[in-house]
Amino acid sequence: NAGVMQNPRHLVRRRGQEARLRCSPMKGHSHVYWYRQLPEEGLKFMVYLQKENIIDESGMPKERFSAEFPKEGPSILRIQQVVRGDSAAYFCASSPAVPGLAYEQYFGPGTRLTVT
Amino acid sequence: DQQVKQNSPSLSVQEGRISILNCDYTNSMFDYFLWYKKYPAEGPTFLISISSIKDKNEDGRFTVFLNKSAKHLSLHIVPSQPGDSAVYFCAASALIQGAQKLVFGQGTRLTINP
Repeated sequence: NAGVMQNPRHLVRRRGQEARLRCSPMKGHSHVYWYRQLPEEGLKFMVYLQKENIIDESGMPKERFSAEFPKEGPSILRIQQVVRGDSAAYFCASSPAVPGLAYEQYFGPGTRLTVT
Repeated sequence: DQQVKQNSPSLSVQEGRISILNCDYTNSMFDYFLWYKKYPAEGPTFLISISSIKDKNEDGRFTVFLNKSAKHLSLHIVPSQPGDSAVYFCAASALIQGAQKLVFGQGTRLTINP
């Protein structure tokens, strides 16, 4: 049973470009969460999605950031017009759709975004 | 507003001794607490958890203690091994606006010295 997969593992973008980060949840998981970790800090919640639905995006910046989890395919975190402050490690986690077990989140290896 | 705090950024322990990592929280709505372990360039790995209705949970060398009145939890690792060297994150879970959310502490870097 493959774990949570993220790609690319490393992404370098120049200021003003777009960054697309992909996440494939564990088999059987239908809940996806995105977190951001800045250097020397903990993980900060960004967005929680289920298939074709954004459940909670309270941690995501209002501008330039968007996320989706289509019926088919991976979840995508999209950052438009990247700035240096977007440089961070972005982690995706998934959990099963069993009520009361949504806290059991399993993390992918992360995508390290560097904005030059 | 840091709802989950790990006040020690780093901890150094001799191999074979006990490692104690601490975590404080402020929100009484948290109903589940977890510890994650993270190696460099990898994602966090779930280690152990505890429900708010319990005060202790043990799994092999790892024990988590919860003191609800003090809003404090700790992770004990005994005996500590070199492979335990990693960053440890405490996380708290609550149902907020219909979604189960994890709130993480800043992490404690544990180094086990041979």
